[in-house]
Amino acid sequence: SQTIHQWPATLVQPVGSPLSLECTVEGTSNPNLYWYRQAAGRGLQLLFYSVGIGQISSEVPQNLSASRPQDRQFILSSKKLLLSDSGFYLCAWSPSGSPLHFGNGTRLTVT
Amino acid sequence: GESVGLHLPTLSVQEGDNSIINCAYSNSASDYFIWYKQESGKGPQFIIDIRSNMDKRQGQRVTVLLNKTVKHLSLQIAATQPGDSAVYFCAESASGGGADGLTFGKGTHLIIQP
Repeated sequence: SQTIHQWPATLVQPVGSPLSLECTVEGTSNPNLYWYRQAAGRGLQLLFYSVGIGQISSEVPQNLSASRPQDRQFILSSKKLLLSDSGFYLCAWSPSGSPLHFGNGTRLTVT
Repeated sequence: GESVGLHLPTLSVQEGDNSIINCAYSNSASDYFIWYKQESGKGPQFIIDIRSNMDKRQGQRVTVLLNKTVKHLSLQIAATQPGDSAVYFCAESASGGGADGLTFGKGTHLIIQP
């Protein structure tokens, strides 16, 4: 069966520090991969998606970037965090035409 | 822009009763709809989906109804249990669930009263 791993679960970082969140999927090949952000009490906002290695589509202009160095690995990064980057970050995967399956998220607090 | 939204932010029901969570969407091109359940501190969990060529689909204790005429989606949960307490999100896609992801509504917090 397929599983998705996302870490760390929680993270507290100072303003201006770099960020690297990692997500890996097991049990499938060539999945579509996604990064979403969820503000407190709000819905999910799509940040990036990828249909293959090295292919990244960005949905909103922001202080973040994403990379897919391997088929089942998706990384969310920032060179310098802003206070507004705080939130709950969710990685998800799907085969095309099927529901997204989410990891358990990373709660990022920028102080 | 196009959006997906919910009528009520919070819904409180008695344990054992049925609950109905509603969702309105505005993109007439949407052809794939999903309901997710999110418990505190966790990622959303898939509940049920429906494509635009259907108007009803049933799962275990859940039913999704789609009314394309008024762009309305609902999730019915039968005989609610304490474990049903969570935030429920509707989501839609105009590409049949394609690679460009889903658009989510803001969510409804379902509270089950003992």
